[in-house]
Amino acid sequence: DAGVTQTPRHEVAEKGQTIILKCEPVSGHNDLFWYRQTKIQGLELLSYFRSKSLMEDGGAFKDRFKAEMLNSSFSTLKIQPTEPKDSAVYLCASSLDWGNAETLYFGSGTRLTVL
Amino acid sequence: GDSVTQTEGLVTLTEGLPVMLNCTYQTIYSNPFLFWYVQHLNESPRLLLKSFTDNKRTEHQGFHATLHKSSSSFHLQKSSAQLSDSALYYCALSLNSGGSNAKLTFGKGTKLSVKS
Repeated sequence: DAGVTQTPRHEVAEKGQTIILKCEPVSGHNDLFWYRQTKIQGLELLSYFRSKSLMEDGGAFKDRFKAEMLNSSFSTLKIQPTEPKDSAVYLCASSLDWGNAETLYFGSGTRLTVL
Repeated sequence: GDSVTQTEGLVTLTEGLPVMLNCTYQTIYSNPFLFWYVQHLNESPRLLLKSFTDNKRTEHQGFHATLHKSSSSFHLQKSSAQLSDSALYYCALSLNSGGSNAKLTFGKGTKLSVKS
């Protein structure tokens, strides 16, 4: 089975641009998460979907970050407009939640640099 | 809210010495799930250990941890560090509260550097 696939691997944007990051979860997984990873804050939850429904949209990240899940096998994270402080690695993860302590499977991430 | 606190920053060890990375958590829920994820350079995080049973040791790949609800702790240990253990380690908390048990709250991470 393919793992979590994220594209692009690297993205460079000018301040004020709109960027869209893409994620394909593991086939059959019903939970999908977007995390932002920085050295200072570690892993911060941006959005969480269960069976394509948005369950959590990350509080402080709401104003310029929007995640969507158009179907069970594809999700996007839009950042609009980008700011230099958005420079980070964006990780997508999926899980098959059977109601126990289930494992998150992470993609390789998209490294975003905002100039 | 729920939170996880880890040994902060960088831990540097000499190969062969024991490893202990601290993790404590705060939650109002009585049955949390605790995890350790490891991330090697240029890789994505992957699960190392998980537990939801109080006072039971869980082991994997030479690492072990025991969930102690009395002290809200889940410290990661290894008896003898190897060069290949150099990585970023995250402790994480999941709540058995009716939502997704894969929705994790992560600590800020501990970077372990093992030197020869």
